[in-house]
Amino acid sequence: QKEVEQNSGPLSVPEGAIASLNCTYSDRGSQSFFWYRQYSGKSPELIMFIYSNGDKEDGRFTAQLNKASQYVSLLIRDSQPSDSATYLCAVIGGSSNTGKLIFGQGTTLQVKP
Amino acid sequence: GAVVSQHPSRVICKSGTSVKIECRSLDFQATTMFWYRQFPKQSLMLMATSNEGSKATYEQGVEKDKFLINHASLTLSTLTVTSAHPEDSSFYICSVARGGTYNEQFFGPGTRLTVL
Repeated sequence: QKEVEQNSGPLSVPEGAIASLNCTYSDRGSQSFFWYRQYSGKSPELIMFIYSNGDKEDGRFTAQLNKASQYVSLLIRDSQPSDSATYLCAVIGGSSNTGKLIFGQGTTLQVKP
Repeated sequence: GAVVSQHPSRVICKSGTSVKIECRSLDFQATTMFWYRQFPKQSLMLMATSNEGSKATYEQGVEKDKFLINHASLTLSTLTVTSAHPEDSSFYICSVARGGTYNEQFFGPGTRLTVL
């Protein structure tokens, strides 16, 4: 079982719709959860981080964390073609407490005009 | 503005040569920096954790004698790929963590290495 799992996609949504990206993690001791966006040929850029159960909103983005289900998601409202990218879920702080950032394989999002 | 810079952004070299990649933290002092590698269509894989003033910590399967890391100051870490081979061709990305290893990491723009 991979430590952080994401559906590779592609996830295709029409412009203006809500895109829902999901991620599960295996280590119940994980403490910090991150969503990065990566455009082709570029390095990842941080979108949001979340530490506590519940929702965290920032503009068009909402991160949701459910530690009991070991599940973290990212919602993108009013999706735009410029949101088309690969979204990486990452986790820090599992049972080994090393502080290492563990990435999922990423979900490719396509927003069609 | 950019938090982390990397140099060079792109390098092409012959097999057997060594290549040095610099990573600079621009906004804050970083006692810890991280080096990742990303092959096409794959996610980022952590290679090593670079600690200022001490030896780097390498991930399992990463040869420390091939990937030399020096973190001589609080704003600069370097990765040297020694005796590079075509299979070392990849996208190398460094990151810095603000305020501690459990906080968010900011990535440099990456270095595209092509070994002929």
